[in-house]
Amino acid sequence: AQKVTQAQTEISVVEKEDVTLDCVYETRDTTYYLFWYKQPPSGELVFLIRRNSFDEQNEISGRYSWNFQKSTSSFNFTITASQVVDSAVYFCALSELSSGNTGKLIFGQGTTLQVKP
Amino acid sequence: DTAVSQTPKYLVTQMGNDKSIKCEQNLGHDTMYWYKQDSKKFLKIMFSYNNKELIINETVPNRFSPKSPDKAHLNLHINSLELGDSAVYFCASSQDVAGGKNEQFFGPGTRLTVL
Repeated sequence: AQKVTQAQTEISVVEKEDVTLDCVYETRDTTYYLFWYKQPPSGELVFLIRRNSFDEQNEISGRYSWNFQKSTSSFNFTITASQVVDSAVYFCALSELSSGNTGKLIFGQGTTLQVKP
Repeated sequence: DTAVSQTPKYLVTQMGNDKSIKCEQNLGHDTMYWYKQDSKKFLKIMFSYNNKELIINETVPNRFSPKSPDKAHLNLHINSLELGDSAVYFCASSQDVAGGKNEQFFGPGTRLTVL
């Protein structure tokens, strides 16, 4: 069965520290998509990145980087030189082709990141 | 321009009442969704419509009834509200289902409080 696990419930760092948010997924599909979303204190959900199961290249976008490893079923997210504005809840999510082509997203429990000045 | 909008943003009501939440997207997307976020921040899909047709109904009580009058709108009506319905409800849309590859764009959420 499909499942997304974000084992870190809360992380607290001091500004300028690097921080990695873990995401482990379970799926029987060979074709699937992984996503990260950010939910700042204001409450909206903001799309950050999508990765398909056939593309294991790591991605970097400014201070954000993502490490996708199929061998360990992980899709970890690293923030370099964290800033107070990075404080938010971060969600990892999975979408599978075998979910009947519905676009259904399975979310992890979320990791609350607090960046202190 | 707001891409996915929801009204109202806050909804406070008594147990047993019936209420509706409206959602509209101006992105030209074919697929819309309703998610529920509980007090522990857990997000779970409730419904999905593709081209006005229901494609996901995730074991949601019959008191919840989605309605999609057109591709740009997906409303959620809740009958006989219960305390456990208190949550934040998010509407989302994606270009189409496309095997799940398309990112979903979320509305600002509606915080429902049942007293």
